[in-house]
Amino acid sequence: GIQVEQSPPDLILQEGANSTLRCNFSDSVNNLQWFHQNPWGQLINLFYIPSGTKQNGRLSATTVATERYSLLYISSSQTTDSGVYFCAVGWPGTYKYIFGTGTRLKVLA
Amino acid sequence: EAQVTQNPRYLITVTGKKLTVTCSQNMNHEYMSWYRQDPGLGLRQIYYSMNVEVTDKGDVPEGYKVSRKEKRNFPLILESPSPNQTSLYFCASSFSQVTEAFFGQGTRLTVV
Repeated sequence: GIQVEQSPPDLILQEGANSTLRCNFSDSVNNLQWFHQNPWGQLINLFYIPSGTKQNGRLSATTVATERYSLLYISSSQTTDSGVYFCAVGWPGTYKYIFGTGTRLKVLA
Repeated sequence: EAQVTQNPRYLITVTGKKLTVTCSQNMNHEYMSWYRQDPGLGLRQIYYSMNVEVTDKGDVPEGYKVSRKEKRNFPLILESPSPNQTSLYFCASSFSQVTEAFFGQGTRLTVV
């Protein structure tokens, strides 16, 4: 089946720093989302981005579907950005998301 | 506000006592699904539904039942819960398989 790998697995930043999270997938996908799981366990939608580039405030994302990767950029990080970031992909003919293993981010004040 | 609502948010129960976790969405989505999240195993799909009265198994369906009698509701039923069903559960909905999915707040279930 399709494999979804995220890197780095863990990341510690000082407040105000920038970071790039990566999601690699092993096959063609028709659906890709980035989520933030906060310390209370809630999954927050960040981006629906099967291809192209999107920006939302300090966050932006780029998916290059032909090269099978997506990047999530966090600029000027804040302590409230802490948590786990997941990418999830769907592919033709299936009815489920495959989630990556996540990047655990901790932002220090 | 567009949302997926799960209840309860937290539940502690005993082995064998039937329980239902409700899921409701107000976006007129066709597609709904349930996932469980476990340490080291990530999120895995339990069941999904493509429309009213159409459901199918996901990757880990054993010990669970679902029903889709109305478009907006997709309850998850544990007929006889066991400790290995202790997990964080998420309901999700979308218009289709290729559109953005929205997740509920999660239900943290503990079976003792």
